[in-house]
Amino acid sequence: DAGVTQSPTHLIKTRGQQVTLRCSPKSGHDTVSWYQQALGQGPQFIFQYYEEEERQRGNFPDRFSGHQFPNYSSELNVNALLLGDSALYLCASSLDYYGYTFGSGTRLTVV
Amino acid sequence: GENVEQHPSTLSVQEGDSAVIKCTYSDSASNYFPWYKQELGKGPQLIIDIRSNVGEKKDQRIAVTLNKTAKHFSLHITETQPEDSAVYFCAASIIPQGGSEKLVFGKGMKLTVNP
Repeated sequence: DAGVTQSPTHLIKTRGQQVTLRCSPKSGHDTVSWYQQALGQGPQFIFQYYEEEERQRGNFPDRFSGHQFPNYSSELNVNALLLGDSALYLCASSLDYYGYTFGSGTRLTVV
Repeated sequence: GENVEQHPSTLSVQEGDSAVIKCTYSDSASNYFPWYKQELGKGPQLIIDIRSNVGEKKDQRIAVTLNKTAKHFSLHITETQPEDSAVYFCAASIIPQGGSEKLVFGKGMKLTVNP
């Protein structure tokens, strides 16, 4: 049984560029949450998708947007990248509010 | 408020000793408290969780206790082994006004178990 799959694993982008990160949830899960984890910090909640809609959003600017597809997979988009956006981006899937399972993350470096 | 405090930030123990990590939370409506272990280069892995209708839960060498009155919960690891070395995060469910449930994490504790 595949867990949460994220792609790509690593990414280097230039300031001002745009990036798309992808997440496939664990089989049977219908909810996807995205987190940003800066070095040495705990994960910070970005937003959560359920039934293809953004259900909850953390304190992140509108440059951060997302999407959930009918098969429950999800994308995180970040526009106008800043150096401070460099972090590990984690996707967690769950069955509604239960059993959050994390992927291994995408390491984004903005130069 | 949405705040989870975790301490200590680092802990070094000898193999076989016990380790305790403590967390406090601010939202009295929180009802779900998971603990995650994160190894270098990997995502957080759920190791144990507890809901607010339970005061204590144990799974082999790991136990979690919850005090809802004081709004704090703790992770206890007994008979530590070198492979327990990792960063441990506590989290609490938060339901913001007008919003839906989300997890808020502490800043993590780096545990080092020395052989």
